Amino acid sequence: DGGITQSPKYLFRKEGQNVTLSCEQNLNHDAMYWYRQDPGQGLRLIYYSQIVNDFQKGDIAEGYSVSREKKESFPLTVTSAQKNPTAFYLCASTLSAMGPAEAFFGQGTRLTVV
Amino acid sequence: AQKITQTQPGMFVQEKEAVTLDCTYDTSDQSYGLFWYKQPSSGEMIFLIYQGSYDEQNATEGRYSLNFQKARKSANLVISASQLGDSAMYFCAMRGGSGTSYGKLTFGQGTILTVHP
Repeated sequence: DGGITQSPKYLFRKEGQNVTLSCEQNLNHDAMYWYRQDPGQGLRLIYYSQIVNDFQKGDIAEGYSVSREKKESFPLTVTSAQKNPTAFYLCASTLSAMGPAEAFFGQGTRLTVV
Repeated sequence: AQKITQTQPGMFVQEKEAVTLDCTYDTSDQSYGLFWYKQPSSGEMIFLIYQGSYDEQNATEGRYSLNFQKARKSANLVISASQLGDSAMYFCAMRGGSGTSYGKLTFGQGTILTVHP
């Protein structure tokens, strides 16, 4: 079955540590996205990528980094510079970066800083 | 810069009645796409409907329709004959079609819909 897989589902991190969230898709989609969602809030765009080896900052990129070395993979690193990283993180992909291509989402990773 | 605004934090509707969820947007792009998603309490994101900026007719998908008013920059979602299973968070989203916003998919703050029996 095609889809987007995020791992792990739950992640605990100590303050001052970097942590990497995984996002893999086997849909052959060109574009991939990372969002942060706080309780009862909307989705805020962290980074997005329309093609391999290229990505753009979203609205809240500070304290985060990404890479897009393979079409199917778009890992997100939450660095120690992110002041309040506890949140629900969603990865999404679309067939293309334009037109009616809807976004497919992973199940999310819930990150907690302890 | 592109921006999506949903001004209704919460909405209540009686089962079997229709409800409209508001969405306004701001963009300087001529070409863009508008989407609505549903997020149940389980957290998954479910695509509902799409409207392209050049589409002349309002999009419809089953009980969902999008009331697109381009001059007013609004893209309201209308759910007809509400069902208990429609209770969820609803998000409006926009993807830019040109310039620095090309491919950028931005979401609004969401509206929590509660359907009463």
